[in-house]
Amino acid sequence: QVQLQQSGAELVKPGSSVKISCKASGYTFTSYDMHWIKQQPGNGLEWIGWIYPGNGNTKYNQKFNGKATLTADKSSSTAYMQLSSLTSEDSAVYFCARWRMGMDYWGQGVMVTVSS
Amino acid sequence: DNVLPQSPTTMAASPGEKVTITCHASSSGIYMNWHQQKSGTSPKLWIYDTSKLASGVPDRFSGSGSGTSYSLTINTMETEDAATYYCQQCCSTPLTFGSGTKLEIK
Repeated sequence: QVQLQQSGAELVKPGSSVKISCKASGYTFTSYDMHWIKQQPGNGLEWIGWIYPGNGNTKYNQKFNGKATLTADKSSSTAYMQLSSLTSEDSAVYFCARWRMGMDYWGQGVMVTVSS
Repeated sequence: DNVLPQSPTTMAASPGEKVTITCHASSSGIYMNWHQQKSGTSPKLWIYDTSKLASGVPDRFSGSGSGTSYSLTINTMETEDAATYYCQQCCSTPLTFGSGTKLEIK
């Protein structure tokens, strides 16, 4: 069965960076786009971008250019998102989601808290 | 960006009642997906390609729409349907989500 297992919660300082992971199993990792979505507490969903692990192609929401960097490791079937120059506005839950006729499988989410 | 005003923001329905949630796109040439999210959990794909039910979704749910106007309908509300529903347009980037409709049981 398809599973997306994300890394654990992060408490990070303002100005620092964080890299979160999304390990895929139960399907061919290189055949489907992986999307990343942000959800701030009590708020809606915001699309960050996608990566196609087959060739590393990416597409970003312009709002997250320079903030988020998406990568993928085919050998471990793991997608990564690095967030840089963190501020309190980056405190949120971050989800990965596979795209096949829509975001059909979601990870459990990673809570990132930015605090000094 | 393709803004997606969603209405209502919140609503309550009694068991057996018909429920309709609407989503308006600022531009056409898209299709609409819908996601269900319950408190403290990840969203789940509920409807894709405007009208197709995702795996395991009860057939009391339906989706419809075209152009810039889309809707999700529950034919007969059940307790387990209480959740927040988000529309999401595909496929003009950036992909965008509606602001969500919180549906409660009366």
